[in-house]
This record gives sequence, structure tokens and C-alpha cells, in this order.
Amino acid sequence: SAVISQKPSRDICQRGTSLTIQCQVDSQVTMMFWYRQQPGQSLTLIATANQGSEATYESGFVIDKFPISRPNLTFSTLTVSNMSPEDSSIYLCSAGGLAAYNEQFFGPGTRLTVL
Amino acid sequence: SQKIEQNSEALNIQEGKTATLTCNYTNYSPAYLQWYRQDPGRGPVFLLLIRENEKEKRKERLKVTFDTTLKQSLFHITASQPADSATYLCALDRAQGGKLIFGQGTELSVKP
Repeated sequence: SAVISQKPSRDICQRGTSLTIQCQVDSQVTMMFWYRQQPGQSLTLIATANQGSEATYESGFVIDKFPISRPNLTFSTLTVSNMSPEDSSIYLCSAGGLAAYNEQFFGPGTRLTVL
Repeated sequence: SQKIEQNSEALNIQEGKTATLTCNYTNYSPAYLQWYRQDPGRGPVFLLLIRENEKEKRKERLKVTFDTTLKQSLFHITASQPADSATYLCALDRAQGGKLIFGQGTELSVKP
């Protein structure tokens, strides 16, 4: 298994600013993912964070809005750029590829409120 | 497009009873299906995985069935306890580098 931490745990931001969320895994992992979970909703995959190359984004998400870095096998960041109130959500990172199964281990999430 | 549906209404049961949650999917043939538990303010926690060639999988008080003909999975919690109260999510693999599609989740409340 893996233990995943995220920083910050929550933040309140002004419209038009950017916030960078950090995700740290306690062991090297093959795959890292970023999700968004809006209140009462399920998880929507934003992108796969690829170590040493550009992230792979899902339909509806673009690099200019959600730049992602993954400098090594234990760390990734997600930036929410030029924020608007519609970006208010919980952002979760996960790690996978640790076992024969594709189970994923999730961080506690970052609760973002944009005013 | 691929679609996953779980019981949209919250499930309320009495302690000691069996909780049964449903996950239906369309337009997809997943290699495996996973179930997660999510408590308020926390990330999902992996519970069980079942492969397409498996009919049933058990882990302690948990049981998962997978019917690829009906395109349905059932998740059972036997002898339920108030501590089992949480939202339960099913997820299908997309066979693309480990990506998962999640259902919207079913909120389970077990009353003492």
C-alpha cells in the first residue's frame, strides 16, 4: 500500500489567482492521477501525471488551466490557474500500479473555495 | 459513451442486516471492477476488486458479484454495523494505463 499526503488541505482563494496543490507518496509509484470531486458528486479524472513527460489530460481539461508536474516517482503538483468560482471543488491525487491489481490509493484531498 | 450508475438514493438499514449496493454500467466491457469506501472529508479507500472472469469475491463481511451479461455488480455487507456508514463507489477500469471511471456513489447509513 501507499500513504499519500496533500498540501494544502484546504484554501480559500480569490477569483483570477492560481493555487498549486502538492501530492507526496511515501514510496515510488508507477502512476499518479489527479481527480476533481464536486460536492455530492463522484470523482472526475483530470489527468494522469507522467514522470519526466507532459501529463495526459482527459476530455474537458487542458494544460493551460491545470498544469501538472511530476519531477520524480513520489511527487506531483497540480496548479489550478486563473480560478473562478466554478473551480470550487475537492481535488484529490491518487497513486496506482503498486500491485498486480490496478487499485488506487488516494490522498485526503484539497478543498478549494474560490470567491 | 461509457456510463456507470449506482443507487442514487441513500440506503438506510438496521444494524445486523445485509446491505446490498448496485452498480450498473453500459457501453463498456471492463476487465475488472473495483469498490471503494469514502468517508466525509477523506479520499476513497480501496475495498475489493473483481475480475471479469470471476463471479464472486469475498473479504471478511464483504462480498462482490460481477455479472458481465447483465453488466452489473452487487456489493454486499453482511452483519452491518454503524461503522459501515459511508459512501461506497464502484469503479471500472478503462484499460488505459490504470485509469478508472467512478460511479456517483451510494450513501449507506446503518442505524443501531
